[in-house]
Amino acid sequence: DAGVIQSPRHEVTEMGQEVTLRCKPISGHNSLFWYRQTMMRGLELLIYFNNNVPIDDSGMPEDRFSAKMPNASFSTLKIQPSEPRDSAVYFCASSSPTSRETQYFGPGTRLLVL
Amino acid sequence: LAKTTQPISMDSYEGQEVNITCSHNNIATNDYITWYQQFPSQGPRFIIQGYKTKVTNEVASLFIPADRKSSTLSLPRVSLSDTAVYYCLVGDMGDSSASKIIFGSGTRLSIRP
Repeated sequence: DAGVIQSPRHEVTEMGQEVTLRCKPISGHNSLFWYRQTMMRGLELLIYFNNNVPIDDSGMPEDRFSAKMPNASFSTLKIQPSEPRDSAVYFCASSSPTSRETQYFGPGTRLLVL
Repeated sequence: LAKTTQPISMDSYEGQEVNITCSHNNIATNDYITWYQQFPSQGPRFIIQGYKTKVTNEVASLFIPADRKSSTLSLPRVSLSDTAVYYCLVGDMGDSSASKIIFGSGTRLSIRP
């Protein structure tokens, strides 16, 4: 099993630019999570999908952030426009229908907004 | 919403047993207790999960008292490679609208030779 795949692994962009992060969950998993991790705020849940439907997006910081899951094997997290305070490591995780509490994390995308 | 409290950091030596305790006084009836391990520059990795009493796998043991208001992760005979941040989570994903996952600050475990 390839595990959760995220791309890009690193992203450097300038303030105001659009950033798109991508995630491919583990095959057969029907729950997908997007997290953000910073030194100041730790690991924060941004949004949670179940069967491709957003269930809880209360962690999305503001309207500049949006997430989609068009099918069971792909999700995107978009920031438009990006700001320096969005700099963080963004993780995607997935879990199976039989054990949703057990999440498998991807390697993360390290985002730096200048 | 069950909040968890863990020690910020712990130190130990190779070969020792390490016990990390997590408090979750407001745990709900349907909540499970899950522990994750995170190394620098990696995503968290699932270690163990339990509901009550004791759970053991090839990596760790999890002790949960009858009142379930706390849990203890036990790492037998630690090595340098066990140096990481350990997170305790409490939640129930069975009811997708009820529980929000909060990782908290975790416990930074440092193992010395």
